Amino acid sequence: ELKVEQNPLFLSMQEGKNYTIYCNYSTTSDRLYWYRQDPGKSLESLFVLLSNGAVKQEGRLMASLDTKARLSTLHITAAVHDLSATYFCAVGGSEKLVFGKGMKLTVNP
Amino acid sequence: DTAVSQTPKYLVTQMGNDKSIKCEQNLGHDTMYWYKQDSKKFLKIMFSYNNKELIINETVPNRFSPKSPDKAHLNLHINSLELGDSAVYFCASSPPGGYGYTFGSGTRLTVV
Repeated sequence: ELKVEQNPLFLSMQEGKNYTIYCNYSTTSDRLYWYRQDPGKSLESLFVLLSNGAVKQEGRLMASLDTKARLSTLHITAAVHDLSATYFCAVGGSEKLVFGKGMKLTVNP
Repeated sequence: DTAVSQTPKYLVTQMGNDKSIKCEQNLGHDTMYWYKQDSKKFLKIMFSYNNKELIINETVPNRFSPKSPDKAHLNLHINSLELGDSAVYFCASSPPGGYGYTFGSGTRLTVV
């Protein structure tokens, strides 16, 4: 059974700082997704990573995938308050996605 | 136009009632899903349909019955609602190959 683990689950950081969050998964999978969720809102797609060594960047967020280690990272550069949200990684294909528990990020001014 | 739309957005109902949630997507996607997000924000697949056919039923109680009248619609009917059914239910869709899911805005169900 595919399991997806994220760590940390909670992160409080100051504006301007950098941090990396991790997503491990238990079995080989096609692809890995990162989503953002604001309180009371839907899931917003951030990245889809499709192959070993894939790296994608959007603004202050950069995601990478190591399929051999079954690990994805989401690196935050120079955090700003607007990044405060819950971040989910998910693994799967066309049949379903299996989600991690999510990481609640709070960026303090 | 909203890509994946769900109605209603909020649903408050008493235990034992039967309720339905509707979902429509205008993206031309073949596959649609229902996910449940519990009070701890954990998201779990309930059902997935490909072109109106059920492909995943993830050990969901029989009280939950999905129906897909066509590939653009996936509705969820829940019988005999229980307190534990309180959650946010998200509909989603994806194109062939599953490269990129689009989620609806969610339906917050509260059973009292």
